Amino acid sequence: QQQVKQSPQSLIVQKGGISIINCAYENTAFDYFPWYQQFPGKGPALLIAIRPDVSEKKEGRFTISFNKSAKQFSLHIMDSQPGDSATYFCAASSTDSWGKLQFGAGTQVVVTP
Amino acid sequence: NAGVTQTPKFRILKIGQSMTLQCTQDMNHNYMYWYRQDPGMGLKLIYYSVGAGITDKGEVPNGYNVSRSTTEDFPLRLELAAPSQTSVYFCASNLRGGRGNSPLHFGNGTRLTVT
Repeated sequence: QQQVKQSPQSLIVQKGGISIINCAYENTAFDYFPWYQQFPGKGPALLIAIRPDVSEKKEGRFTISFNKSAKQFSLHIMDSQPGDSATYFCAASSTDSWGKLQFGAGTQVVVTP
Repeated sequence: NAGVTQTPKFRILKIGQSMTLQCTQDMNHNYMYWYRQDPGMGLKLIYYSVGAGITDKGEVPNGYNVSRSTTEDFPLRLELAAPSQTSVYFCASNLRGGRGNSPLHFGNGTRLTVT
């Protein structure tokens, strides 16, 4: 049973467009919500993360929006570039879980020139 | 720093064979993890360790074993390979576990096929 549900499974966006990936969770003990980016043949790498005491976090073209009451969070990629083509995973964990992350199923993003 | 290093990169096993996936990190991280990645399923935790000599099961431990004799190394053992273990395996490490904003550092994976 997937503790973190991620959608869509894949998306295609034109260069300069906005990519939006959504995640939902059930476990209210989760207090750390990172996003990982994975390129083919490589391991995932941390992109951006948020804790539930803020509703939004922005790093460059990447923004996490967090809705604690709805138990949802999303990744927005602004001004998408072909180099952003990758698989993106949302994840969640709680402080007392020894850093064990629950991952979403992943979203393959393709940015067309 | 090399970070997290996994060997081999690729391996084909016959059903019933055994093998060890190697993982070593040079960041002096206490926390280490093994995940498997299957298409459309995300990453599932197999085993984890919070320090040398301490290991525990994750979400999908059946068919696997681990050991942690040093801080640096965290090998994953498959004793009787089955087709269901065909997957990409990732080792990861973390400085502070669940405390603070401590990211997971992943290796580049081992792609295993069991036929």
